[in-house]
Amino acid sequence: EAGVTQFPSHSVIEKGQTVTLRCDPISGHDNLYWYRRVMGKEIKFLLHFVKESKQDESGMPNNRFLAERTGGTYSTLKVQPAELEDSGVYFCASSPPGANTGELFFGEGSRLTVL
Amino acid sequence: RKEVEQDPGPFNVPEGATVAFNCTYSNSASQSFFWYRQDCRKEPKLLMSVYSSGNEDGRFTAQLNRASQYISLLIRDSKLSDSATYLCVVLYNFNKFYFGSGTKLNVKP
Repeated sequence: EAGVTQFPSHSVIEKGQTVTLRCDPISGHDNLYWYRRVMGKEIKFLLHFVKESKQDESGMPNNRFLAERTGGTYSTLKVQPAELEDSGVYFCASSPPGANTGELFFGEGSRLTVL
Repeated sequence: RKEVEQDPGPFNVPEGATVAFNCTYSNSASQSFFWYRQDCRKEPKLLMSVYSSGNEDGRFTAQLNRASQYISLLIRDSKLSDSATYLCVVLYNFNKFYFGSGTKLNVKP
C-alpha cells in the first residue's frame, strides 16, 4: 500500500514567487494534516482537514498560506507570495477516520527554500 | 512557553549503553502521549505510545507522569541503528498534536 506522498521534495524559489505543495494521503484516511518545521525548531501544526473540510486551521501563519482539499482526497498548500521566513520543511500526515490512535503517517516532506 | 519541551541533546553514547530522555508538556488536559523517531532528512515515524501505567516494547520503555506532566523514554542496550532524533508528541483535544523539538541520539561503536 502506498504511503503518504508529497511533491515536490524540494523547491527553491525567490521571495515574492508562488509555490504549491501537494500531498496525497493514504487511501481511506479522512484526516490530513499539514505541519512545518523551520530550521532548528519544533514541528508545528498548520492545519487539519477531515475529508474536504478544514477542521482546524489555527496554525496557519497568515493569509499568504492557502490550503485546499477538494473532493477530500489530495491536498495542496499554496504560499503566495513567499517570504524568506517561509523556508522550512512542510510535512503532510494522514490518519484513518474515527478515534485518533495517535499514529500519524507522514510523508517525506517538501523542503522549501526561499531566496 | 512551548507546549512540549525536550532537551535537544545530542546524547552521545557507546553501543550497549542505557540512555533516557525526558520531555515535559504544559497542558494538563493533554490526552495522549507518544514518542516518534525521525531519521536524518526523513519523516517522523511512530515509535510507541505512552500509557499511564508505563509500557515496554523490546529495549524501549516509556513512562508517563501526569502529576508532574512529564514523559520519559528509556533505551537499553543501545544499537548503532538507534541513532536518530526522538520526538515527544502530545495529543490535545483529540486532534491537535504538539511536537517537541526532538532529542538527538548518537550511538557510537
